[in-house]
Parts: sequence; C-alpha cells; structure tokens
Amino acid sequence: GESVGLHLPTLSVQEGDNSIINCAYSNSASDYFIWYKQESGKGPQFIIDIRSNMDKRQGQRVTVLLNKTVKHLSLQIAATQPGDSAVYFCAERNTGGFKTIFGAGTRLFVKA
Amino acid sequence: NAGVTQTPKFQVLKTGQSMTLQCAQDMNHNSMYWYRQDPGMGLRLIYYSASEGTTDKGEVPNGYNVSRLNKREFSLRLESAAPSQTSVYFCAGRTSSGSDEQYFGPGTRLTVT
Repeated sequence: GESVGLHLPTLSVQEGDNSIINCAYSNSASDYFIWYKQESGKGPQFIIDIRSNMDKRQGQRVTVLLNKTVKHLSLQIAATQPGDSAVYFCAERNTGGFKTIFGAGTRLFVKA
Repeated sequence: NAGVTQTPKFQVLKTGQSMTLQCAQDMNHNSMYWYRQDPGMGLRLIYYSASEGTTDKGEVPNGYNVSRLNKREFSLRLESAAPSQTSVYFCAGRTSSGSDEQYFGPGTRLTVT
C-alpha cells in the first residue's frame, strides 16, 4: 500500500551542526507534506509544511525541501540545539482530505 | 486556553474490559482525530470526525468506536479490550483553514493485560 518512510531511524549530530532528516513518500497523489516533532512523553507538534507546488520552504531555523521527481522530502535544522532532540515524523495527505499518513519517525540525538 | 486535553493519562485494563477515552478541545477545531502510536512506530489513524455529527474510519478502526458529542468533544471507546490494543492514544484537532497543522493532546497510555 501507500506509505511514508524514512531512510534513517536514528541521527546523531553535534550541537551547533546542521541536521538533515530525510523521508521518502510513495503516494504520488499526495500534495501536502508536513513535519512534526515529538518530544518524549508528549504529543507531536507541528514544525513546518509544504505544498506540492513548492520545492522549498523556510521557517525559523528549519527548511523543508520537496523533490517530487524522486518523491523525497527533507527537513533541515540549522545550528542544532539540545532542545531539538526528539523524534521527527514526516507526514502526507491530499489537500482537502482528512487522512494524514505518518512515517515511522527519525530519532535525533544532539551531542553537547 | 487549554488546547487539546485527554483523560485519563494512564490506564490499565484487563482483557475484555471496556473504557472510554475522552478528548476535548477549546481551539474551535472543525475536525478531530484519534491515533494510536505503538513503540518505535508512527501514528496510525483510528477514526476521525470531519465535522460535528460525522465520523469515519481510519486505517485501524477494528475494536474501536467513536462519538463526536459536540464540536469540542470526541471520545474513543474500547468495548472489549485486547492486549493488541496496548498503545499510546493521541487525540488531535484541526481547523479547516488549508493548513494541516494538527494540534495533539498529551496522550493516554493504555495497557491491556
């Protein structure tokens, strides 16, 4: 079936370095993509989103890149901080739809 | 403004027991969702309610029922709990404004023995 997946389940980075979390999606009908952050013991928190008519979107210290040709999504975190340690999920859905499909998640460890 | 709240935070059930997980939001969300999250996995949609008065099945609805009591409240019921339903359950809400910014509750950790 259709799925959203991640290339790496765990990522470890040095504090201050940039982090890149990758995600592959397979549903070519999806036109809206989202990144969520989940800290231990908490619910997921929205980080940033991007629509399929864009290939890049920037937020505060975060950038999402979308490559529709290879069905690839990435989240870049600049100057990674200890507070960025969490599990990051990519998700996809169709605009106007109600079903969001979540990937399995990537755990980010930030070393001091 | 409490956001999305869930009760209880923790629950232990014996196989065959029933219970209702409560969710309420004060963010004027039109749509609401119930997900389950198993260890090392992403979230899977159980049921959702696109608007008050409507509910629909998600990816894993078997063994669950839901009620959209009003715009604020969306409950999830387990009629006869099974060990396979041991999980963390998250409720979420979303406004139909074009963004998929779902706001999640803190979760209910359910163990079925």
